[in-house]
Amino acid sequence: GAGVSQSPRYKVAKRGQDVALRCDPISGHVSLFWYQQALGQGPEFLTYFQNEAQLDKSGLPSDRFFAERPEGSVSTLKIQRTQQEDSAVYLCASSPPEGGKTQYFGPGTRLLVL
Amino acid sequence: AQKITQTQPGMFVQEKEAVTLDCTYDTSDPSYGLFWYKQPSSGEMIFLIYQGSYDQQNATEGRYSLNFQKARKSANLVISASQLGDSAMYFCAMRGTLSGAAGNKLTFGGGTRVLVKP
Repeated sequence: GAGVSQSPRYKVAKRGQDVALRCDPISGHVSLFWYQQALGQGPEFLTYFQNEAQLDKSGLPSDRFFAERPEGSVSTLKIQRTQQEDSAVYLCASSPPEGGKTQYFGPGTRLLVL
Repeated sequence: AQKITQTQPGMFVQEKEAVTLDCTYDTSDPSYGLFWYKQPSSGEMIFLIYQGSYDQQNATEGRYSLNFQKARKSANLVISASQLGDSAMYFCAMRGTLSGAAGNKLTFGGGTRVLVKP
């Protein structure tokens, strides 16, 4: 079956531009997570959705970061007025409704802010 | 707060040999889960193995086994019979209490890069 997909895979933005990153979770997965992975480091949690409800956004680094999942499936992570420090890989993960042990990750979106 | 520490930034291993990747953790949660993920150069995080804090036996999945020592707060990954395709970054991660919003997120270590030599 299809895994988690993310688009675009690569994004180059000029400083100050807004960007939108898309995540399509595995069909039927209730939980959706966004992580940010800086070069050479482990992923860091950004935000968590259960269906359409954003239950935890404690990891969003600033109010320039906004995430939504309006219909409980596809999610979009938006970054406004991008800064160079936003350059990273943004990973999306989903997990099934029975609260399974495993989060299944997408391939990530590599964002470079110039 | 949860913390994962991986002290080995990089390792070489000879093909067909076993390798142990170290992971120590810190948490105040009474119940937690420990994970290992593999990240090849393509970037995708691939789930390898899971250990629950109350599991009586160490987890095994094919060539992967987890050496869980709860008192020492360590969860080392052992890869047996290394293959060239095992060359990748390996991340140890933890999830806290098994219910509730705050408990679902994963906390990752800094990773260990493994290079398998032919």
